[in-house]
Amino acid sequence: NAGVTQTPKFRVLKTGQSMTLLCAQDMNHEYMYWYRQDPGMGLRLIHYSVGEGTTAKGEVPDGYNVSRLKKQNFLLGLESAAPSQTSVYFCASSYSTRGAGEQYFGPGTRLTVT
Amino acid sequence: RKEVEQDPGPFNVPEGATVAFNCTYSNSASQSFFWYRQDCRKEPKLLMSVYSSGNEDGRFTAQLNRASQYISLLIRDSKLSDSATYLCVVITGTGRRALTFGSGTRLQVQP
Repeated sequence: NAGVTQTPKFRVLKTGQSMTLLCAQDMNHEYMYWYRQDPGMGLRLIHYSVGEGTTAKGEVPDGYNVSRLKKQNFLLGLESAAPSQTSVYFCASSYSTRGAGEQYFGPGTRLTVT
Repeated sequence: RKEVEQDPGPFNVPEGATVAFNCTYSNSASQSFFWYRQDCRKEPKLLMSVYSSGNEDGRFTAQLNRASQYISLLIRDSKLSDSATYLCVVITGTGRRALTFGSGTRLQVQP
């Protein structure tokens, strides 16, 4: 099993450009999450999904949109990138409810917005 | 006040030393607690859950003190490979099964 994969691994955007980050998991997990990690801030939840076709806002959702059209995929979109969105983005997945504390993370996407 | 707070370190210890980290949480309704490990420029990985009665996994011991709202991680006989950042993680609230992460404590084990 590949576990959780993320595409791309690195990206540089100019302010105002858009992009989509793709997360895929092959563990049949119900729950999927997008986090950002900034120095000294820890991981912060952007959006999450409790199942195919459902999404919800996390702690820092502004400037991002998500979609979960298939159970195994969770997409994170930036419609108009800003320098404040320079960060490392991690996708994660977990079993439903009972196993929510055990999250499996992808390797991350390093995004720089200039 | 941050919901989950950790001493950022770094903790520099020699091989074989015992080291302990604490983490405090602000919400008394917090339900579940975990320690994750994150190597430099890598993704976080679950190290262990933290149970009310305390639990041990090899050289690692986790404790929970609900009255004082903190959890701890003790590492005995430190190895070079233990060098990493240790993240305290808390699940709080009902319905939203998402984790709140501390910003981590960096451990550097030296030969």
